[in-house]
Amino acid sequence: QVTLRESGPALVKPTQTLTLTCTFSGFSLSTSGMCVSWVRQPPGKALEWLALIDWDDDKYYSTSLKTRLTISKDTSKNQVVLTMTNMDPVDTATYYCARILSSGGPGGWFDPWGQGTLVTVSS
Amino acid sequence: SYVLTQPPSVSVAPGQTARITCGGNNIGSKSVHWYQQKPGQAPVLVVYDDSDRPSGIPERFSGSNSGNTATLTISRVEAGDEADYYCQVWDSSSDPPYVFGTGTKVTVL
Repeated sequence: QVTLRESGPALVKPTQTLTLTCTFSGFSLSTSGMCVSWVRQPPGKALEWLALIDWDDDKYYSTSLKTRLTISKDTSKNQVVLTMTNMDPVDTATYYCARILSSGGPGGWFDPWGQGTLVTVSS
Repeated sequence: SYVLTQPPSVSVAPGQTARITCGGNNIGSKSVHWYQQKPGQAPVLVVYDDSDRPSGIPERFSGSNSGNTATLTISRVEAGDEADYYCQVWDSSSDPPYVFGTGTKVTVL
């Protein structure tokens, strides 16, 4: 059974750096083709893709947030970490991590998702 | 960036059929995936690669994709199908490359 779980602070102050950890089980991020991604969802709004890391340690970011995001992995711990700098109230959202699967080519779909963690940015 | 447009809401009576559209430029040339999200819960994949269902998803959920519109169809709607539904594609020429639709709230009357 594949599971993912996000952890991190529920509240951060403006300008601070957010660090979120995704701990997963049921698959290995050292397996060829495996990818883990981060997606966020502001309250009452749609989903927004943030970043991805693959088994080969290739990293991809949403261009609009690229200067603020860093994604990394610890294969031995089955963890993926996302850091976001210079947090702002507009970054208030539920942050999800998810495994990415595909039919063999690039792209693919998100399955399964972690439960999500709500991060509020407020002074 | 690539844009996916969904109707904000769809209402359907129990036992009837709900159709949720996802519009995008030449979306028929892309693979479309659909997620169900109930209040306070994480999204759940219900259809991938236009029309395939993950294990555990009822056959009542089906998908199609052609031209500029992809459609998620829920047959014999049940009260438990009430949720938000999102379509998603990957477009290498878009930024971001993983694109989600605007979301549709399905209300079971």
